[in-house]
Amino acid sequence: EPEVTQTPSHQVTQMGQEVILRCVPISNHLYFYWYRQILGQKVEFLVSFYNNEISEKSEIFDDQFSVERPDGSNFTLKIRSTKLEDSAMYFCASTVDRGRETQYFGPGTRLLVL
Amino acid sequence: KQEVTQIPAALSVPEGENLVLNCSFTDSAIYNLQWFRQDPGKGLTSLLLIQSSQREQTSGRLNASLDKSSGRSTLYIAASQPGDSATYLCAVYGSSNTGKLIFGQGTTLQVKP
Repeated sequence: EPEVTQTPSHQVTQMGQEVILRCVPISNHLYFYWYRQILGQKVEFLVSFYNNEISEKSEIFDDQFSVERPDGSNFTLKIRSTKLEDSAMYFCASTVDRGRETQYFGPGTRLLVL
Repeated sequence: KQEVTQIPAALSVPEGENLVLNCSFTDSAIYNLQWFRQDPGKGLTSLLLIQSSQREQTSGRLNASLDKSSGRSTLYIAASQPGDSATYLCAVYGSSNTGKLIFGQGTTLQVKP
């Protein structure tokens, strides 16, 4: 069964460093998302991406964040200058039809900013 | 602004018991509602998707219902097993046309052998 994959599974970085989180969505999916979950808190929406552009972003998704689909398979989330409060589990998700079909989530990348 | 609430926050039951998890949302204008399972430190596994026009969906021992007008959904788990122990999340796709999901905080279920 097709699945969303994410790399790395864990990343430790120093405050102020740039990180890139990578995702490979399911191949025929058209809508892509990043969510994050701070330990013990709700899963929060960060950004949605369709047709090679951001379709919606949350208040969390400030200028330090960016997303890219550099080729036909990868979908990346970049944090330019990490802060302690960026420590969280980051989930990538994709769906073939945003209104009618399930969003499939990847296993997540656990980011720890020291 | 859509808010999603799940009650109870935690639940412990003996094996074999039938149980109900609750999810409520403040804005009834939704496209669909999804139930997910999350094991500790892991990703989200989709369990059931209910469209706004549907009243319920079933998958194996799981049955999810949706009452849009009252802003409620329930997840019924029949004959619970220790392997059902996990956190169950509901998420609503609401007024945004981008597919953004709004999540509840989850119910952590423990099924004791």
